[in-house]
Amino acid sequence: DAGVIQSPRHEVTEMGQEVTLRCKPISGHNSLFWYRQTMMRGLELLIYFNNNVPIDDSGMPEDRFSAKMPNASFSTLKIQPSEPRDSAVYFCASSFEPNQPQHFGDGTRLSIL
Amino acid sequence: EDQVTQSPEALRLQEGESSSLNCSYTVSGLRGLFWYRQDPGKGPEFLFTLYSAGEEKEKERLKATLTKKESFLHITAPKPEDSATYLCAVQGVSYNTDKLIFGTGTRLQVFP
Repeated sequence: DAGVIQSPRHEVTEMGQEVTLRCKPISGHNSLFWYRQTMMRGLELLIYFNNNVPIDDSGMPEDRFSAKMPNASFSTLKIQPSEPRDSAVYFCASSFEPNQPQHFGDGTRLSIL
Repeated sequence: EDQVTQSPEALRLQEGESSSLNCSYTVSGLRGLFWYRQDPGKGPEFLFTLYSAGEEKEKERLKATLTKKESFLHITAPKPEDSATYLCAVQGVSYNTDKLIFGTGTRLQVFP
């Protein structure tokens, strides 16, 4: 079975550029999560969707970050404009139901120069 | 504030040397405690969910236990392929979402 698929795996871009990260959740899962992982802060939840509707975006750092889920099989996380402090690994995860384990993709390693 | 603390930060074991990793948590009502394994360059891989104190789960050389304040991940006779970072996360009843609070992990290295 296909797991959570993220693209691109690596992204290097210059400060000020727009960055778009993509995620395809596991088919049949109705919850989707975007996380950011850094050495200093570990894994932090950015935003969570349930049935394509944003439920909790309290972890989104600032207005430069936005996320969408236009349908059950696709989500994007956008950073505009990007800054060097946004450099991190961004993970997408999905789960079947509340209280069920979240399954993670292999992440996008983002470097902002 | 809900919090998860893992110890030790790093652990070096000889192959076959059993040990335990600790996950201490404070949460206003536990819905579930999750253990994940993360290999370099990969996303966290789900291992176990524990829901109530006294519960235990096992998978190969790993056994997870839960009390009202902490969880342990016991590793029996580890092998080099068990080397990874082990993450603990909690889900609390106070959340109106399925939000997980993660600890910063224990980096385990097993030497032959």
